[in-house]
Amino acid sequence: DTAVSQTPKYLVTQMGNDKSIKCEQNLGHDTMYWYKQDSKKFLKIMFSYNNKELIINETVPNRFSPKSPDKAHLNLHINSLELGDSAVYFCASSPRDGNQPQHFGDGTRLSIL
Amino acid sequence: DAKTTQPPSMDCAEGRAANLPCNHSTISGNEYVYWYRQIHSQGPQYIIHGLKNNETNEMASLIITEDRKSSTLILPHATLRDTAVYYCIVRAVGSGGSNYKLTFGKGTLLTVNP
Repeated sequence: DTAVSQTPKYLVTQMGNDKSIKCEQNLGHDTMYWYKQDSKKFLKIMFSYNNKELIINETVPNRFSPKSPDKAHLNLHINSLELGDSAVYFCASSPRDGNQPQHFGDGTRLSIL
Repeated sequence: DAKTTQPPSMDCAEGRAANLPCNHSTISGNEYVYWYRQIHSQGPQYIIHGLKNNETNEMASLIITEDRKSSTLILPHATLRDTAVYYCIVRAVGSGGSNYKLTFGKGTLLTVNP
């Protein structure tokens, strides 16, 4: 059983399109995250939700809108895709207790043509 | 979060112990030391974390100096599958908003050679 699963694994699309990435965790965690890893391999937090409530928003353009229909899902919708959005996007989850480790999915590789 | 400093790369022979250092000289009393690794094309994988005592689990051991300004991750018998980028991260305890995030640096690329 995959603990944190993301779909799709690969996403190739044209500039200006709107796309969504889905994330689901079956660990019973309260907190979920989106991270972005750019071409230079730096991993940076984008958003975090705790039981469907936004708790972290790291100066991400408002073209990026996370949506959490329930605490097991955190989807990422991106409007008007730009070339600079090309990256690997990782979803993660953790228990509410901030000391506990985060569990990551295997990433969604987004390529903008 | 406190900054960490790691060597950009290290090599290790298969079957030998890999000792990965990390400096975190500005760590605060309420900050834990976490280690994650990222194998090529995969998501980061949690390895171990600790506050001030040494820790050991099935994957690795974590040795934290008494002044907490540095730590060492030890993989006791490195295998080829341990080749990855290893990240040392310090993170505050508690459930406050910014305490949830992990701030990744550049990490150490460990290459295990046959």
